[in-house]
Amino acid sequence: QVQLQQWGAGLLRPSETLSLTCAVSGGSFTNYYWSWIRQSPGKGLEWIGEINHSGNTNYNPSLESRVTISVDASKRQVSLKVNSLNAADTAVYYCARGITLAFDYWGQGALVTVSS
Amino acid sequence: QPVLTQSPSASASLGASVKLTCTLSSAHSTYAVAWHQQQPGKGPRYLMKIDSDGSHIKGDGVPGRFSGSSSGAERYLTISSLQSEDEADYYCQTWGSAIFVFGVGTRVTVL
Repeated sequence: QVQLQQWGAGLLRPSETLSLTCAVSGGSFTNYYWSWIRQSPGKGLEWIGEINHSGNTNYNPSLESRVTISVDASKRQVSLKVNSLNAADTAVYYCARGITLAFDYWGQGALVTVSS
Repeated sequence: QPVLTQSPSASASLGASVKLTCTLSSAHSTYAVAWHQQQPGKGPRYLMKIDSDGSHIKGDGVPGRFSGSSSGAERYLTISSLQSEDEADYYCQTWGSAIFVFGVGTRVTVL
């Protein structure tokens, strides 16, 4: 049974840095890419980027300048950092397992609110 | 990059069928599409991936009443024998120009 468990800070101020971690249990960790996706009322679902166990990353160009995705394969964890936060970054953030052209397992989501 | 178009809402009676449509932009009409279900207050759940020839691969544990098909640039998700727990938002998703993109979702109401 593949499970993705997420955690991280929920309330942040503008200009701060968001930090979330996703731990993967069950299934292979090395055979997949691991993505971060966010969901906000204004923009719907938006793919942020992905990483594999070797640290190879791909980012959405619209966010690339502010985003870092990292991996700790020994712990089966992937992490997301988004800097220079503003109110538009308020969203529920999900991690997800990537398969060819899609995502087949999602985390439970983490609400991040950016407010002064 | 591809653009996915979905109707905002659909409804059908308990036990009936509903067919949801996801339309790919014309330049990307041969792309595969995935469907995800999001029940109220929950994260998305992968349902299936549909290729341009209509072949589809379901996710683990997806009930048999969910099926997929394809015609031209349209990818369909059909839910048969609607249950109350099928009341949810349904998103289509694809990959192109090095990014993943999502439709805006269709809200299904079970009458």
